[in-house]
Amino acid sequence: QVQLQESGPGLVRPSQTLSLTCTVSGDSLSGSTFFWGWIRQHPGKGLEWIGYTYPGGTTHYNTSLESRVSIAVDTSKNQFSLSLRSVTAADTAVYYCARDVTGMYYFDFWGPGTLVIVS
Amino acid sequence: QSALTQPVSMSGSPGQSITISCIGTSTNVGNYDLVSWYQQFPGKAPKLIIYEVNKRPSGVSSRFSGSKSGNTASLTISGLQAGDEADYYCCSCAGGAAVIFGGGTELTVL
Repeated sequence: QVQLQESGPGLVRPSQTLSLTCTVSGDSLSGSTFFWGWIRQHPGKGLEWIGYTYPGGTTHYNTSLESRVSIAVDTSKNQFSLSLRSVTAADTAVYYCARDVTGMYYFDFWGPGTLVIVS
Repeated sequence: QSALTQPVSMSGSPGQSITISCIGTSTNVGNYDLVSWYQQFPGKAPKLIIYEVNKRPSGVSSRFSGSKSGNTASLTISGLQAGDEADYYCCSCAGGAAVIFGGGTELTVL
């Protein structure tokens, strides 16, 4: 069974960089045939796709965030990460990491989510 | 791109069937058979219940079904149960490897 777990600071200061890590178990990022991505949910609001990466390959970002966001993979730790620069209060949200079935655009496994407050 | 359009809330009685719509455009829902649906309970992560328009992951009840016509996708829940009370989100490929979600529908079981 694939499991994902987000980790990182729950509080980030405005203008700083939000950094989160997703640790994957039950699947290997090395040689993976899946995309691994991030989705966020503002308090009381809907889901917003941030982006995803194909280990050793391409990365795709939401155009509304691509000037500030980076997703990277560390296959040695079986982790992938999210960096969001120059954050404001509007970036306060629950951040989820998830596995995307490559080419099919659906997320079959999700982490439990982590709340990040920008203040 | 703007979020896919879903009704903000819907309600139904136990045993009834309910259909949640997800309206997109010819650049997303209408152009790809790559619509998925997620169920989310308060404080929990979304759970995949439908993928590729009408396929169900293993373990998902057959009471959940999906369809698509033109730019509109639909999720139907038959035999509504109290445990179906949750938020539901549609999702679609939006071209160029992008993904777009719907605004979500809060389902109340009366």
